[in-house]
Amino acid sequence: DAGVTQSPTHLIKTRGQQVTLRCSPKSGHDTVSWYQQALGQGPQFIFQYYEEEERQRGNFPDRFSGHQFPNYSSELNVNALLLGDSALYLCASSFPPPTGERYGYTFGSGTRLTVV
Amino acid sequence: AQSVTQLGSHVSVSEGALVLLRCNYSSSVPPYLFWYVQYPNQGLQLLLKYTTGATLVKGINGFEAEFKKSETSFHLTKPSAHMSDAAEYFCGTGANNLFFGTGTRLTVIP
Repeated sequence: DAGVTQSPTHLIKTRGQQVTLRCSPKSGHDTVSWYQQALGQGPQFIFQYYEEEERQRGNFPDRFSGHQFPNYSSELNVNALLLGDSALYLCASSFPPPTGERYGYTFGSGTRLTVV
Repeated sequence: AQSVTQLGSHVSVSEGALVLLRCNYSSSVPPYLFWYVQYPNQGLQLLLKYTTGATLVKGINGFEAEFKKSETSFHLTKPSAHMSDAAEYFCGTGANNLFFGTGTRLTVIP
């Protein structure tokens, strides 16, 4: 049973560029959440997708956008990259709320984004 | 606002010694508390979580945590540390979108 798969594992981008990160949820899960983990910090919630719509959003600017496909996989897009966007980006999948709360979340290993 | 505070960004223990990682939550936090572990270059793995019911929660790998409302604490413990426990540990809260603390790096000394 495959867990959460994220690609790529590492990425280097130049300031001002755009980046797309990808996530395939665990089999049976249809809800995908994205988190940003800066160096030395805990993960911060970016947004959550369910039924191909953004359901909740954390305190992140509009430069951060996402998409969920019919097969439940998801993309995170970041435009106009800043040096401060350098972080580990984690994807977590779950059942939809409220079931997801009961059974918890499965995290991927993340994509390490470096902006230079 | 929901928040948790992890006391001590780094904790070192000897192999076989008690592990105690401290976490306090704000009174506005709903009773959804959890601990995740992150091994180097890996994602997060759920150790245990508290929602309702018994206040002593047992998790994987021999870890447990006790929800103490009077102290607003949810400390993580393990009776005997193993080398494989060396990792970053995150306390957090939230049911749907999760709020994490800043993490505690556990070092186990042989």
